[in-house]
Amino acid sequence: DQQVKQNSPSLSVQEGRISILNCDYTNSMFDYFLWYKKYPAEGPTFLISISSIKDKNEDGRFTVFLNKSAKHLSLHIVPSQPGDSAVYFCAASVRNAGNMLTFGGGTRLMVKP
Amino acid sequence: DTEVTQTPKHLVMGMTNKKSLKCEQHMGHRAMYWYKQKAKKPPELMFVYSYEKLSINESVPSRFSPECPNSSLLNLHLHALQPEDSALYLCASSQGQRDRYNSPLHFGNGTRLTVT
Repeated sequence: DQQVKQNSPSLSVQEGRISILNCDYTNSMFDYFLWYKKYPAEGPTFLISISSIKDKNEDGRFTVFLNKSAKHLSLHIVPSQPGDSAVYFCAASVRNAGNMLTFGGGTRLMVKP
Repeated sequence: DTEVTQTPKHLVMGMTNKKSLKCEQHMGHRAMYWYKQKAKKPPELMFVYSYEKLSINESVPSRFSPECPNSSLLNLHLHALQPEDSALYLCASSQGQRDRYNSPLHFGNGTRLTVT
């Protein structure tokens, strides 16, 4: 049973527009959420995180929103750039439970020039 | 450039071979992890070391044997692997395993393993 799901395997966006990547989770114990970006032949790169005590965290062009009641989080990238084209994984963990990340299946983002 | 270094980048081995994957970090992190990633799948946790001691083994077969010689190094010894073990093996580190405020994992670029 997948505890973290990314229902969109791919997303195509025009350069300069907003990219919205979505993630749903089922385990209500999760209290720390992260987004990673992965280029081919590289490891995942940490982008941004959010604790369950917040509903929004912003870092430059990247903003993560958390809706605990809906068990849903999203990553907004604005403006999108061609270099943002990659696979994006959301991940979740339970604080004080070993920092073990459970990953979603990933969404491939393509930003067209 | 990643601050977690993995060697080799690529490895091809037969089912009777013994090989080792190596991982190194110099960020002062005290938790280190091995993940396995198959094509078009998310990374899956294999092992966690906290303060150089194995703290989590996610029911990984004994043909995979982790080792943490010191706080900066993590090895994964491989023996008698099967073709289905072919995957990208990722090492990661974090400040701690049970931080008061969870810290993100920093990943290396992985070792692409092919078992023939």
